[in-house]
Amino acid sequence: KAGVTQTPRYLIKTRGQQVTLSCSPISGHRSVSWYQQTPGQGLQFLFEYFSETQRNKGNFPGRFSGRQFSNSRSEMNVSTLELGDSALYLCASSLAEGVGATNEKLFFGSGTQLSVL
Amino acid sequence: QKEVEQDPGPLSVPEGAIVSLNCTYSNSAFQYFMWYRQYSRKGPELLMYTYSSGNKEDGRFTAQLNRASQYISLLIRDSKLSDSATYLCAIPRDYQLIWGAGTKLIIKP
Repeated sequence: KAGVTQTPRYLIKTRGQQVTLSCSPISGHRSVSWYQQTPGQGLQFLFEYFSETQRNKGNFPGRFSGRQFSNSRSEMNVSTLELGDSALYLCASSLAEGVGATNEKLFFGSGTQLSVL
Repeated sequence: QKEVEQDPGPLSVPEGAIVSLNCTYSNSAFQYFMWYRQYSRKGPELLMYTYSSGNKEDGRFTAQLNRASQYISLLIRDSKLSDSATYLCAIPRDYQLIWGAGTKLIIKP
């Protein structure tokens, strides 16, 4: 069974540009979450989608947005990039069938390493 | 105060040693507790999760939960070179995981 696939693996952008990252979850998984990981802040939650609906959102500015498609694939977009957006962006999928099933096991991709110059 | 506190290390031990990694949490309402392992340039992978006080064992790994003192620990026995990684504790809440800072573990030959 294929794992969570994130593309691209590496990205270099300049300040002010925008970027779109892609995530393909494990087949059958309907929940997709996005996390930002930096050496200083660690792992921080961006948002979570289930059946194309955003169920929760972290404390990030509106420049960070996401969406989920009917096949559960997800994208996240960051507009007007800032130097501080340089990070590893991780996508995770889970079955998450039940409402409030917060003990669901998350399966992570290898991430997209974004560098903003 | 952060909701989940974890010493970032690094923690360096010789191969074969017993390692104890710890996390403390501030919210007594938390129900489930997870340990993830993350290798360099990879995403985290779930090692173990627990929701009962006491110990949960899986091979060389034991997860311990002490609700009264609000801490969790991960014990690694007979440590191997392949155990060198960052170990993160995580607590699920509201469709997200609240993470500790992660402890970098280095196993020396």
